[in-house]
Amino acid sequence: EIVLTQSPDFQSVTPKEKVTITCRASQSIGSSLHWYQQKPDQSPKLLIKYVSQSLSGVPSRFSGSGSETDFTLTINSLEAEDAATYYCHQSTGLPSFGQGTKLAIK
Amino acid sequence: QVRLVQSGAEVKKSGASVKVSCTTSGYTFSTYAIHWVRQAPGQRLEWMGRISPGSGYSKYSQEFQGRVTLNSDTTTTTSYMEISNLRSEDVAVYYCARAGVSDSSLEYWGQGTLVTVSS
Repeated sequence: EIVLTQSPDFQSVTPKEKVTITCRASQSIGSSLHWYQQKPDQSPKLLIKYVSQSLSGVPSRFSGSGSETDFTLTINSLEAEDAATYYCHQSTGLPSFGQGTKLAIK
Repeated sequence: QVRLVQSGAEVKKSGASVKVSCTTSGYTFSTYAIHWVRQAPGQRLEWMGRISPGSGYSKYSQEFQGRVTLNSDTTTTTSYMEISNLRSEDVAVYYCARAGVSDSSLEYWGQGTLVTVSS
C-alpha cells in the first residue's frame, strides 16, 4: 500500500499570499499524482492531474510540480474562495489519498 | 454534460447491508471506470474500489475486500456499491467518481450519499 503524507495539515494564510502544499509518497509513483480541492459539504473537485496538467476552468494560480515521491501544489496569489481542504491522490496500483491540508483565510 | 447522481441518505442498523446507486449520463457508460470513495466525518478521502462497466471487472481496496461489492448495469447506466455487515465505523459520505479512459484521475463526482449506522 502506498501512503501519501501531506504537509502542512493546516495553514492560515492571507489573501494574495503564495501557498505551497507538499505530498510525499512512501514509494515512487512516477507522475500518477493528482490534486483535489474540497469545500465543506461539497464533493472533491479535480484541480491538477498527473502532477502538473491543469484542468479547464481551474484558475491559473493553481499549479503542480514534482516527480517520483515528492510533489507540490502551489497557489499563487491566494484568494478568499480558495479556503478549502486540499488532497493529493495517487493512482499507481491501488489508489490512495493524502490526509488533507486545510487552508483557512486570515 | 457528464453527470453522476447518487441515491439518497440511508440509515441502517449494525450488521445490515446498504446499497448505494450512482446513475450516470452525458457519456458512454461502458467506456469509463467508476470509482467509489468514502469520507468519514472529519476524515480523509478513502478509496474503496473501482469497476469497469464494460467488462464488469472490479478491484477493491484490501480494507473492503470481501465486504464491499461493486456492480454496474449498462442498460440503466448505473453503478452500485453494496457494503455488508455494517458497523459504526462505516458512518461516512460515500462518493462515486468517474475516471478517464487512459486517465485514472477522478474528474467527475457524484454528490455523495450519507450512510448512518445505528445500533
